Amino acid sequence: DQQVKQNSPSLSVQEGRISILNCDYTNSMFDYFLWYKKYPAEGPTFLISISSIKDKNEDGRFTVFLNKSAKHLSLHIVPSQPGDSAVYFCAAAGQTGANNLFFGTGTRLTVIP
Amino acid sequence: DVKVTQSSRYLVKRTGEKVFLECVQDMDHENMFWYRQDPGLGLRLIYFSYDVKMKEKGDIPEGYSVSREKKERFSLILESASTNQTSMYLCASRDSTNTGELFFGEGSRLTVL
Repeated sequence: DQQVKQNSPSLSVQEGRISILNCDYTNSMFDYFLWYKKYPAEGPTFLISISSIKDKNEDGRFTVFLNKSAKHLSLHIVPSQPGDSAVYFCAAAGQTGANNLFFGTGTRLTVIP
Repeated sequence: DVKVTQSSRYLVKRTGEKVFLECVQDMDHENMFWYRQDPGLGLRLIYFSYDVKMKEKGDIPEGYSVSREKKERFSLILESASTNQTSMYLCASRDSTNTGELFFGEGSRLTVL
């Protein structure tokens, strides 16, 4: 049973506009969330994370929002750039540093020049 | 920079063959992981190791075994490959600080005929 869900398999956005990638989770014990980015033929790379004690974390063009009551998090990319085109995975863990991360199925973002 | 190196980027094997996937990390990380990535299923944890000679089953360990004889090296073994093990295999490592961030290798795409 998928505990972390990314319901949009793909998203297309015009360059310069905002990209919003969504992620839902079912396990209320998750308290640490991460986003990874993956280019074809490469391994995923860490992008940004958020702990459950926060509702927002920002790093440059990337912001992650966490809504614990809705069990929902989102990644905002502003402004979107063609180099952001990749597959984005969200992941969740039951405790900070816990060994097992639960990954979503990924969303393929295409930024159109 | 952390480097996680997977020995083979592409492999083609026949059903019943024994398959070794090797992974080496150069940052003295305690924790190492093997995931497989399949379309529509995201990343699923096969096995992880938190110390030399220690291993723990992940979500989908059936048909796999692992070996960690040295801290920097974590091997995934398919004793008798089957066609349903055709997949992208990703190795990752992490230190013991409480960030949850994983560093991934570039992946090994295995095709079992």
